[in-house]
Amino acid sequence: AQRVTQPEKLLSVFKGAPVELKCNYSYSGSPELFWYVQYSRQRLQLLLRHISRESIKGFTADLNKGETSFHLKKPFAQEEDSAMYYCALRGYQKVTFGTGTKLQVIP
Amino acid sequence: NAGVTQTPKFQVLKTGQSMTLQCAQDMNHEYMSWYRQDPGMGLRLIHYSVGAGITDQGEVPNGYNVSRSTTEDFPLRLLSAAPSQTSVYFCASSLEGATEAFFGQGTRLTVV
Repeated sequence: AQRVTQPEKLLSVFKGAPVELKCNYSYSGSPELFWYVQYSRQRLQLLLRHISRESIKGFTADLNKGETSFHLKKPFAQEEDSAMYYCALRGYQKVTFGTGTKLQVIP
Repeated sequence: NAGVTQTPKFQVLKTGQSMTLQCAQDMNHEYMSWYRQDPGMGLRLIHYSVGAGITDQGEVPNGYNVSRSTTEDFPLRLLSAAPSQTSVYFCASSLEGATEAFFGQGTRLTVV
Protein backbone atom coordinates (compact mmCIF):
# COMPACT_ATOMS: atom_id res chain seq x y z
CA ALA A 1 0.00 0.00 0.00
CA GLN A 2 1.13 3.53 -0.63
CA ARG A 3 0.29 6.41 1.66
CA VAL A 4 1.06 10.11 1.87
CA THR A 5 0.70 12.08 5.08
CA GLN A 6 0.56 15.84 5.35
CA PRO A 7 0.14 16.55 9.05
CA GLU A 8 -0.79 20.23 8.79
CA LYS A 9 -4.14 21.30 7.39
CA LEU A 10 -3.27 24.98 7.67
CA LEU A 11 0.05 26.74 7.90
CA SER A 12 0.09 30.50 8.48
CA VAL A 13 3.34 32.45 8.13
CA PHE A 14 4.23 36.09 7.79
CA LYS A 15 5.57 37.44 4.53
CA GLY A 16 9.33 37.02 4.44
CA ALA A 17 9.34 34.16 6.94
CA PRO A 18 10.61 30.69 6.02
CA VAL A 19 8.12 28.05 4.98
CA GLU A 20 8.23 24.29 5.44
CA LEU A 21 5.33 22.11 4.39
CA LYS A 22 5.71 18.60 5.69
CA CYS A 23 5.14 15.42 3.74
CA ASN A 24 5.83 11.84 4.82
CA TYR A 25 5.20 8.80 2.73
CA SER A 26 4.91 5.05 2.99
CA TYR A 27 5.77 2.85 0.04
CA SER A 28 7.60 -0.43 -0.23
CA GLY A 29 9.27 0.27 -3.56
CA SER A 30 11.18 3.19 -4.97
CA PRO A 31 8.77 6.14 -5.01
CA GLU A 32 8.42 9.11 -7.26
CA LEU A 33 7.43 12.16 -5.23
CA PHE A 34 5.77 15.36 -6.38
CA TRP A 35 4.39 18.59 -5.01
CA TYR A 36 1.27 20.04 -6.64
CA VAL A 37 -0.20 23.46 -5.98
CA GLN A 38 -3.74 24.74 -6.38
CA TYR A 39 -4.17 28.50 -6.38
CA SER A 40 -7.60 29.94 -5.71
CA ARG A 41 -10.07 29.08 -8.46
CA GLN A 42 -7.43 27.33 -10.55
CA ARG A 43 -6.70 23.74 -11.41
CA LEU A 44 -3.99 21.73 -9.74
CA GLN A 45 -0.61 22.07 -11.34
CA LEU A 46 2.74 20.49 -10.79
CA LEU A 47 5.11 22.53 -8.67
CA LEU A 48 8.11 20.25 -8.60
CA ARG A 49 9.21 16.62 -8.66
CA HIS A 50 12.01 15.02 -6.73
CA ILE A 51 13.77 13.50 -9.72
CA SER A 52 14.47 16.87 -11.30
CA ARG A 53 15.95 18.38 -8.12
CA GLU A 54 15.01 21.85 -9.26
CA SER A 55 13.81 25.02 -7.55
CA ILE A 56 10.49 26.39 -8.74
CA LYS A 57 9.25 29.79 -7.56
CA GLY A 58 11.87 29.59 -4.81
CA PHE A 59 10.57 26.26 -3.50
CA THR A 60 12.74 23.20 -3.07
CA ALA A 61 12.08 19.71 -1.77
CA ASP A 62 14.55 16.96 -0.97
CA LEU A 63 13.65 13.32 -0.83
CA ASN A 64 14.89 11.78 2.42
CA LYS A 65 14.51 8.03 2.07
CA GLY A 66 15.74 7.38 5.59
CA GLU A 67 13.01 9.52 7.10
CA THR A 68 10.56 8.81 4.23
CA SER A 69 9.95 12.51 3.88
CA PHE A 70 9.67 15.02 1.07
CA HIS A 71 9.21 18.36 2.79
CA LEU A 72 8.65 21.50 0.72
CA LYS A 73 10.69 24.53 1.71
CA LYS A 74 11.05 28.17 0.80
CA PRO A 75 13.33 30.58 2.63
CA PHE A 76 11.15 33.70 2.28
CA ALA A 77 7.38 33.43 1.85
CA GLN A 78 5.57 35.73 -0.57
CA GLU A 79 1.88 36.64 -0.54
CA GLU A 80 1.41 34.97 -3.92
CA ASP A 81 2.47 31.66 -2.35
CA SER A 82 -0.88 31.44 -0.57
CA ALA A 83 -2.53 28.29 -1.95
CA MET A 84 -3.30 24.64 -1.28
CA TYR A 85 -0.30 22.35 -1.55
CA TYR A 86 -0.55 18.64 -2.13
CA CYS A 87 2.21 16.10 -1.81
CA ALA A 88 1.83 13.13 -4.15
CA LEU A 89 3.46 9.76 -4.56
CA ARG A 90 3.52 7.77 -7.76
CA GLY A 91 3.84 4.08 -7.09
CA TYR A 92 2.89 1.18 -9.30
CA GLN A 93 0.18 2.53 -11.64
CA LYS A 94 -1.32 4.79 -8.99
CA VAL A 95 -0.74 8.34 -7.85
CA THR A 96 -1.72 8.93 -4.22
CA PHE A 97 -2.20 12.42 -2.83
CA GLY A 98 -1.98 13.68 0.70
CA THR A 99 -4.80 15.60 2.34
CA GLY A 100 -3.21 18.91 1.48
CA THR A 101 -1.90 21.88 3.44
CA LYS A 102 -3.33 25.33 3.02
CA LEU A 103 -0.55 27.89 3.14
CA GLN A 104 -1.63 31.34 4.23
CA VAL A 105 0.96 34.10 3.92
CA ILE A 106 0.10 37.06 6.11
CA PRO A 107 1.16 40.47 4.73
CA ASN B 1 -3.75 22.05 -27.21
CA ALA B 2 -6.74 22.14 -24.90
CA GLY B 3 -5.11 19.81 -22.35
CA VAL B 4 -7.65 18.09 -20.09
CA THR B 5 -11.24 19.21 -20.50
CA GLN B 6 -13.99 18.34 -18.06
CA THR B 7 -17.69 18.90 -18.54
CA PRO B 8 -19.85 20.08 -16.95
CA LYS B 9 -18.25 22.55 -14.55
CA PHE B 10 -21.21 22.53 -12.20
CA GLN B 11 -24.05 20.07 -11.69
CA VAL B 12 -26.88 19.61 -9.24
CA LEU B 13 -28.50 16.19 -9.03
CA LYS B 14 -31.35 14.75 -7.06
CA THR B 15 -30.72 11.66 -4.99
CA GLY B 16 -31.08 8.58 -7.16
CA GLN B 17 -30.41 10.28 -10.47
CA SER B 18 -27.60 9.09 -12.69
CA MET B 19 -25.20 11.12 -14.77
CA THR B 20 -21.87 11.02 -16.56
CA LEU B 21 -18.98 13.38 -15.97
CA GLN B 22 -16.98 13.80 -19.13
CA CYS B 23 -13.20 13.98 -19.38
CA ALA B 24 -11.21 14.36 -22.58
CA GLN B 25 -7.52 14.94 -23.23
CA ASP B 26 -5.72 15.73 -26.46
CA MET B 27 -2.16 14.93 -25.39
CA ASN B 28 -2.24 11.23 -26.29
CA HIS B 29 -1.67 10.31 -22.65
CA GLU B 30 -2.03 6.67 -21.75
CA TYR B 31 -2.79 7.20 -18.07
CA MET B 32 -6.02 8.83 -16.94
CA SER B 33 -7.62 9.02 -13.53
CA TRP B 34 -10.51 10.45 -11.58
CA TYR B 35 -10.25 11.98 -8.11
CA ARG B 36 -12.70 13.51 -5.74
CA GLN B 37 -11.66 16.41 -3.55
CA ASP B 38 -13.32 16.85 -0.19
CA PRO B 39 -12.40 19.24 2.65
CA GLY B 40 -9.90 17.64 4.98
CA MET B 41 -9.65 14.53 2.81
CA GLY B 42 -7.45 15.75 0.01
CA LEU B 43 -7.74 14.06 -3.35
CA ARG B 44 -8.88 10.47 -3.31
CA LEU B 45 -8.51 8.22 -6.30
CA ILE B 46 -11.78 6.83 -7.63
CA HIS B 47 -10.77 4.94 -10.79
CA TYR B 48 -7.86 4.98 -13.16
CA SER B 49 -6.88 3.66 -16.55
CA VAL B 50 -3.46 2.82 -17.97
CA GLY B 51 -4.71 2.66 -21.54
CA ALA B 52 -7.71 2.14 -23.78
CA GLY B 53 -9.74 -0.86 -22.65
CA ILE B 54 -8.05 -1.07 -19.24
CA THR B 55 -9.50 0.35 -16.04
CA ASP B 56 -9.01 -0.34 -12.36
CA GLN B 57 -10.36 0.77 -9.02
CA GLY B 58 -8.78 3.34 -6.77
CA GLU B 59 -9.44 4.05 -3.09
CA VAL B 60 -13.13 5.02 -3.31
CA PRO B 61 -14.72 3.29 -6.34
CA ASN B 62 -18.13 2.44 -4.89
CA GLY B 63 -21.01 4.15 -6.67
CA TYR B 64 -18.94 5.01 -9.74
CA ASN B 65 -18.27 3.30 -13.06
CA VAL B 66 -15.74 4.11 -15.75
CA SER B 67 -14.86 2.94 -19.22
CA ARG B 68 -12.00 3.73 -21.58
CA SER B 69 -13.01 2.98 -25.14
CA THR B 70 -10.57 5.53 -26.60
CA THR B 71 -7.27 7.02 -25.51
CA GLU B 72 -8.82 10.48 -25.40
CA ASP B 73 -11.93 9.95 -23.27
CA PHE B 74 -12.47 8.68 -19.73
CA PRO B 75 -16.05 9.29 -18.56
CA LEU B 76 -17.10 8.79 -14.96
CA ARG B 77 -20.63 7.52 -14.35
CA LEU B 78 -22.61 7.97 -11.18
CA LEU B 79 -25.10 5.14 -11.14
CA SER B 80 -27.50 6.40 -8.46
CA ALA B 81 -26.39 9.68 -6.94
CA ALA B 82 -26.23 10.03 -3.17
CA PRO B 83 -25.59 13.13 -1.01
CA SER B 84 -22.25 11.56 0.03
CA GLN B 85 -21.12 12.04 -3.56
CA THR B 86 -21.32 15.79 -3.26
CA SER B 87 -17.77 16.80 -4.06
CA VAL B 88 -15.42 18.37 -6.57
CA TYR B 89 -14.27 15.87 -9.16
CA PHE B 90 -10.98 16.13 -10.99
CA CYS B 91 -9.82 14.24 -14.01
CA ALA B 92 -6.09 13.93 -14.69
CA SER B 93 -3.92 12.48 -17.41
CA SER B 94 -0.24 11.73 -17.85
CA LEU B 95 2.17 9.77 -19.93
CA GLU B 96 2.88 6.38 -18.47
CA GLY B 97 5.82 6.54 -16.12
CA ALA B 98 6.86 9.02 -13.48
CA THR B 99 5.84 12.22 -15.22
CA GLU B 100 3.67 15.24 -14.56
CA ALA B 101 -0.10 14.78 -14.26
CA PHE B 102 -2.27 17.35 -16.00
CA PHE B 103 -5.57 18.18 -14.35
CA GLY B 104 -8.89 19.36 -15.63
CA GLN B 105 -10.56 22.38 -14.09
CA GLY B 106 -12.88 20.25 -11.99
CA THR B 107 -16.60 19.51 -11.79
CA ARG B 108 -18.46 20.71 -8.73
CA LEU B 109 -21.27 18.24 -8.07
CA THR B 110 -24.03 18.73 -5.52
CA VAL B 111 -26.46 15.94 -4.75
CA VAL B 112 -29.61 17.02 -2.94
